[in-house]
Amino acid sequence: TQLLEQSPQFLSIQEGENLTVYCNSSSVFSSLQWYRQEPGEGPVLLVTVVTGGEVKKLKRLTFQFGDARKDSSLHITAAQPGDTGLYLCAGADMGRRALTFGSGTRLQVQP
Amino acid sequence: ETGVTQSPTHLIKTRGQQVTLRCSSQSGHNTVSWYQQALGQGPQFIFQYYREEENGRGNFPPRFSGLQFPNYSSELNVNALELDDSALYLCASSHGQAASYEQYFGPGTRLTVT
Repeated sequence: TQLLEQSPQFLSIQEGENLTVYCNSSSVFSSLQWYRQEPGEGPVLLVTVVTGGEVKKLKRLTFQFGDARKDSSLHITAAQPGDTGLYLCAGADMGRRALTFGSGTRLQVQP
Repeated sequence: ETGVTQSPTHLIKTRGQQVTLRCSSQSGHNTVSWYQQALGQGPQFIFQYYREEENGRGNFPPRFSGLQFPNYSSELNVNALELDDSALYLCASSHGQAASYEQYFGPGTRLTVT
């Protein structure tokens, strides 16, 4: 069974601070997707990383896929209240139909 | 381009009843996957439909079943509801079968079983 562990589970920070969310597994994934989910809504895709060691930037968000394609991180610079939400990582395995989701990191950014 | 839509938004059912949830896929997408998200958890894969056939299934009992129609919309049916079935049910559409295809989620249906 493939598992993705996210840490931390909860994070409450002040506006302007930096943070990093981690997504770890003992399994290799062909790609990894990051989503943000707000209360009462479905997850919204932020980015997909495919190549080991790949780094992608989306404004103040930086995503990295581990060299061995078993882990990933999301770094937010100068967090803003609009970044508040549940961040989910999801791994895709070649040949499988399902995404394997982590349990999520709930981020709250205080103004 | 129309996004993924789901209906109803909220639903309250009694234990033992049956429920049908509906999903319209994003324009141009031929694959629909269903996920269950319990409170405080990440989504768990229920099954996937491709070309009107079940194309992969997670660890859910047979009382969870589904359909996909020629227009690629889909239904999720749950029989003999149990209290633990209370969750947010998410539908995701994609352009292909493999999980590596980017999946786009609908807003979900919040099911409460009492």
